[in-house]
Amino acid sequence: DQQVKQNSPSLSVQEGRISILNCDYTNSMFDYFLWYKKYPAEGPTFLISISSIKDKNEDGRFTVFLNKSAKHLSLHIVPSQPGDSAVYFCAASAKGSQGNLIFGKGTKLSVKP
Amino acid sequence: GAVVSQHPSRVICKSGTSVKIECRSLDFQATTMFWYRQFPKKSLMLMATSNEGSKATYEQGVEKDKFLINHASLTLSTLTVTSAHPEDSSFYICSATQGPHGYTFGSGTRLTVV
Repeated sequence: DQQVKQNSPSLSVQEGRISILNCDYTNSMFDYFLWYKKYPAEGPTFLISISSIKDKNEDGRFTVFLNKSAKHLSLHIVPSQPGDSAVYFCAASAKGSQGNLIFGKGTKLSVKP
Repeated sequence: GAVVSQHPSRVICKSGTSVKIECRSLDFQATTMFWYRQFPKKSLMLMATSNEGSKATYEQGVEKDKFLINHASLTLSTLTVTSAHPEDSSFYICSATQGPHGYTFGSGTRLTVV
């Protein structure tokens, strides 16, 4: 049973517009959520995170929103740039898990000039 | 959907011993599997790319004699940490691909070397 789900395998956005990447989870014990960005032939690199005590975290062009009641989080990138084209993974960890991560399957974002 | 099973989820071993971690694709054939190690600041470092039936491709700085990778079948890749030391304690995670965009991650293994 997938605990972290990214239902859109791909997303295409025009440069300058907003990219919205979605993630749903099922485990109510998750208390920390992360977004990773992955280029081909590289490991996923950490992008932004949010604790379950917050509903929004912003870092430059990247904002993560958390809706605990819906068990849903989203990553907003605005404005989108061609260099943002990559695979984005949502991950979560639960209390007491020593930070072990559960990953979604990823969404491939393509930002077109 | 595609499922990758990683086992064990946690292991504690004594310094100097070896530990084997298994990564299995349960309902698909994975010609390529990847092994990662989590470091502080949360990013995952790609350790090696494992291709079925051939030698793994290790990333620069990863000791292939210490981290033995075997991909003997289309559904199984193993990572063996040999002569483990406390500094090898980390979170190791595998992923398998089905195609150009499909990545499925295992649930990870927390290794503690005492």
